[in-house]
Amino acid sequence: AQTVTQSQPEMSVQEAETVTLSCTYDTSESNYYLFWYKQPPSRQMILVIRQEAYKQQNATENRFSVNFQKAAKSFSLKISDSQLGDTAMYFCAANFGNEKLTFGTGTRLTIIP
Amino acid sequence: EAQVTQNPRYLITVTGKKLTVTCSQNMNHEYMSWYRQDPGLGLRQIYYSMNVEVTDKGDVPEGYKVSRKEKRNFPLILESPSPNQTSLYFCASSLLEAALYNEQFFGPGTRLTVL
Repeated sequence: AQTVTQSQPEMSVQEAETVTLSCTYDTSESNYYLFWYKQPPSRQMILVIRQEAYKQQNATENRFSVNFQKAAKSFSLKISDSQLGDTAMYFCAANFGNEKLTFGTGTRLTIIP
Repeated sequence: EAQVTQNPRYLITVTGKKLTVTCSQNMNHEYMSWYRQDPGLGLRQIYYSMNVEVTDKGDVPEGYKVSRKEKRNFPLILESPSPNQTSLYFCASSLLEAALYNEQFFGPGTRLTVL
């Protein structure tokens, strides 16, 4: 079975600090894509960052970066210099090549002023 | 503006009363999909469509129907809603040729309550 697991239901961090959200997955596919989506209180799903499994270099988008460990099947999201606007639910997701996104259960992140 | 729209945004209904949630995209995307979001379960795919007249079941299709008569529209039909279908529903679309890595664009969500 192809699964995505997020083991941290909730996290909180002080504003300006760095926080890392964990995600692991399971698949026998060799090529796939991994994503982090942000869902603020507005409920809109916003793509934060994506990573192709064939690329060894970790993806970076401004304050957001990933730590992709293919052998360990781990895909964590690091948010640097956290801001109040980062408060949201974060979903890890994967496309294992079967025309759908498989989502984790989400991590609710709260940035404390 | 490129977008996915859903209507209604909020709906309260009663058990057994047929309803349709509409989804429309203006980006000429071939691929469209419906997800439901439930606390502690994340988002799960209900149905998807790879093009007009081509639809297939996702992980949780029971109790739902879809149709894809036009490329831009992908309505979700609940023939006889039940309380366990109370959920937040998302429609999404993307280009099929790049479906593996391409961003799926999500609609704003429909909050459905079935009493």
